[in-house]
Amino acid sequence: DIQMTQSPASLSASLEEIVTITCQASQDIGNWLAWYQQKPGKSPQLLIHSATSLADGIPSRFSGSRSGTQYSLKISRLQVEDTGIYYCLQRYSNPWTFGGGTKLELK
Amino acid sequence: AVQLVESGGGLVQPKESLKISCAASGFTFSNAAMYWVRQAPGKGLEWVARIRTKPNNYATYYADSVKGRFTISRDDSKSMVYLQMDNLKTEDTAMYYCTTHNIHTTGIPHYWGQGVMVTVSS
Repeated sequence: DIQMTQSPASLSASLEEIVTITCQASQDIGNWLAWYQQKPGKSPQLLIHSATSLADGIPSRFSGSRSGTQYSLKISRLQVEDTGIYYCLQRYSNPWTFGGGTKLELK
Repeated sequence: AVQLVESGGGLVQPKESLKISCAASGFTFSNAAMYWVRQAPGKGLEWVARIRTKPNNYATYYADSVKGRFTISRDDSKSMVYLQMDNLKTEDTAMYYCTTHNIHTTGIPHYWGQGVMVTVSS
């Protein structure tokens, strides 16, 4: 199975700060990587698909990038509503696997 | 608008069975692959199962943790997807989400239901 190692596990940042979350895949997964945001008591929301494509309706301050088997989610100017837990998902091969999550809080 | 509404959750004892359902609307159900993802209390997301469309022979895939115990199925005439869960274990306790993709995100869980809680406890 493909392992997705997500870091950091938690993060505290200030308003307008740049935030980066990463996922390291245990093997090549191409661009079959998505990012989700989940708020307490809510269903996850798709932010990025195909490693770098912004999902419909998602603010442009969110962006995704890839370097080999390392994938990153960047929030260019952190806003209050960006707090929550972020997950990556690889769907390159079965079983699909999520990263362990990153809890993002405001400082 | 796309809607996914799960139902059928509840409290069951270990080794018992439960079938949860998801009613879909707002899109051409027969053209969409469907997925189940779960989340144990206070834990992260875990992909559970997926089912493809008729042209893909309704192929099914499962997480190792549920293979042989869970069965995903669909009824295109009713726009419903199901998850039959047999021989339930306490570690199956979780919120179960029904999800699907859209035409731009084929193969990626995009739309999510509100979830249905399954509790396995004696």
